[in-house]
Amino acid sequence: DGGITQSPKYLFRKEGQNVTLSCEQNLNHDAMYWYRQDPGQGLRLIYYSQIVNDFQKGDIAEGYSVSREKKESFPLTVTSAQKNPTAFYLCASSPGEGSGTGELFFGEGSRLTVL
Amino acid sequence: GESVGLHLPTLSVQEGDNSIINCAYSNSASDYFIWYKQESGKGPQFIIDIRSNMDKRQGQRVTVLLNKTVKHLSLQIAATQPGDSAVYFCAENYGGSQGNLIFGKGTKLSVKP
Repeated sequence: DGGITQSPKYLFRKEGQNVTLSCEQNLNHDAMYWYRQDPGQGLRLIYYSQIVNDFQKGDIAEGYSVSREKKESFPLTVTSAQKNPTAFYLCASSPGEGSGTGELFFGEGSRLTVL
Repeated sequence: GESVGLHLPTLSVQEGDNSIINCAYSNSASDYFIWYKQESGKGPQFIIDIRSNMDKRQGQRVTVLLNKTVKHLSLQIAATQPGDSAVYFCAENYGGSQGNLIFGKGTKLSVKP
């Protein structure tokens, strides 16, 4: 089945540690996104990538890093510089510019808890 | 609806009734709007979208209404079912990169059997 796969679903981290969240899609979408969701809040954009080997900062990029070496993959690293990393992280993809639709297709999310 | 602080606006309806979820968007230049449904612990799912050249669009049991004059969007769910219980988000795109959406804070819909 086509879709977006995020892993791990749950992750615990000690303060000061970096952690990488995986996001893989087999929808052949050009664009991929990372959002952060906090309780009672909407989704906030961390980073996005419109094409392989290119990505841009979103609204809350500080303390995060990404790479886009392959079309299918867009991993997110939560670094120790992120002051409040405990959150639900959502990866999404879209067909990209010129597709005629702005719909995002979301993964099931990764819940990160810092102990 | 928009929320303040950590508490989502909540709409509680009886099974079989119609639900109306409201959203105020921020940018008069927005030209594309989407409603998403998010069940607990899961990623958002697309429900319905509408472009700014329309004021109404219907799907299966759902209708989206767009009032550009007052920058208001609503989602109507007919014959609400327990499976409709979720948080509903509206999102707007004001001409930036396709898919670079601005999300509202969401409304929690609870359906009583």
